Amino acid sequence: GQQVMQIPQYQHVQEGEDFTTYCNSSTTLSNIQWYKQRPGGHPVFLIQLVKSGEVKKQKRLTFQFGEAKKNSSLHITATQTTDVGTYFCAGQGDMRFGAGTRLTVKP
Amino acid sequence: GAVVSQHPSWVICKSGTSVKIECRSLDFQATTMFWYRQFPKQSLMLMATSNEGSKATYEQGVEKDKFLINHASLTLSTLTVTSAHPEDSSFYICSAQGSGNYGYTFGSGTRLTVV
Repeated sequence: GQQVMQIPQYQHVQEGEDFTTYCNSSTTLSNIQWYKQRPGGHPVFLIQLVKSGEVKKQKRLTFQFGEAKKNSSLHITATQTTDVGTYFCAGQGDMRFGAGTRLTVKP
Repeated sequence: GAVVSQHPSWVICKSGTSVKIECRSLDFQATTMFWYRQFPKQSLMLMATSNEGSKATYEQGVEKDKFLINHASLTLSTLTVTSAHPEDSSFYICSAQGSGNYGYTFGSGTRLTVV
C-alpha cells in the first residue's frame, strides 16, 4: 500500500533560523495534507495541497506539492518558539501519516 | 467549524478490564472516522477506519477482537479496548472530516494507562 516517508525525524534550530521538512510518497498522491501537533496536544490541520506544483503560504509557512505529486515540503521562515511541535504529512485521504518531524526551537 | 469531542481524556484501568473511548462529531455528521494510537515521540499509527452502519476496516496487525469499534450513528464512534494489558497503554485519538473542510479534525485524545 501507499507509504509516506518524512524527513528529517528531528530538527533543532535556533530561533530565527529557517526550517524545512520533506514528505515523499512511493505512489502518486491525489492530495496531501499537513498537520501540526504541539507537545501533549492533538494534530491540527494546517493545509491541503491538490494541484501539481502547487505552492501555498500561511504567514511564515510555505507549502509545496511536487510536480509529480509524489513529494511535498513545508518550509518555515524565521522560526519562533511557537513553532515547536511535530509536523506530519498525510496523503491521499486514507489518513496514514508520515513519521513526522519534531521541531524544537532554542530561544 | 468542525469539532470532534473525545472522552475520556485519560483513564487508568486494571489489567484484564475493558475501556471504552467515545468520539463524537459535535456540529457535523461523520460517515467515516479514523482511530489512531500514538506512542511517546512517535507518529500516529492508523488502527482502523470506522464506517457508520457497517463493520470497521482494520489495519494489518490490529486485532479486531481486541479493539472493538462501533459506529452506530453519524455522530458517534466508540473504541473499546478489551482485556487491556500494560502494553496497550498509549495515546488513542480519533479523527473525522467535517463538511466544507478539506482537513480532518482530531479529538483531543485519550491517554490510557493499564496497570
